[in-house]
Amino acid sequence: EDKVVQSPLSLVVHEGDTVTLNCSYEVTNFRSLLWYKQEKKAPTFLFMLTSSGIEKKSGRLSSILDKKELFSILNITATQTGDSAVYLCAVEALRMSGGSNYKLTFGKGTLLTVNP
Amino acid sequence: DGGITQSPKYLFRKEGQNVTLSCEQNLNHDAMYWYRQDPGQGLRLIYYSQIVNDFQKGDIAEGYSVSREKKESFPLTVTSAQKNPTAFYLCASSMASGGYNEQFFGPGTRLTVL
Repeated sequence: EDKVVQSPLSLVVHEGDTVTLNCSYEVTNFRSLLWYKQEKKAPTFLFMLTSSGIEKKSGRLSSILDKKELFSILNITATQTGDSAVYLCAVEALRMSGGSNYKLTFGKGTLLTVNP
Repeated sequence: DGGITQSPKYLFRKEGQNVTLSCEQNLNHDAMYWYRQDPGQGLRLIYYSQIVNDFQKGDIAEGYSVSREKKESFPLTVTSAQKNPTAFYLCASSMASGGYNEQFFGPGTRLTVL
């Protein structure tokens, strides 16, 4: 069974701090790893990672994947109160039934609270 | 505006009643998905559809049913057989389900069984 584990489950920081969120996985037929931000309702897409060691950046957010050690990190620098959200990690992998049928397995998320 | 809409936003139902949650997308995506999210839990896949008139069970399909008569629409029915239906339901779509396709999510429906 595919497994995605995020840590920590929750985190409280002050504005301006830098945070690192972790995601480890055990899946068969890995395809990609995705990060989403969820603020009370719809998760919004942040990054898709497919290759090891290549950092993806978007403003103060960055993420990297290690396919050998089976984990990814999401970094947020100079945090702001607007960064408060649940951050979801999901791994895309081939379904057991095979073919070209892929599924996303989600972790439980990390609840980040940024205090002013 | 392109996107995914879900309705209603909040839904209350009495035990023993079936209820249908709406999901519509105008992104021209082939694949659509239904997830359930419980507090402190990740998203769990209920059903998915890769193409019109075809759908497959996800990890927790028991007590749910779906249809995909149109590309734009993928309604989910929560039946009375679902033992613990109170949850946040998210619909998503992607261009295809063949990999490297991020899923785009709707705003969700919060279902409460009274």
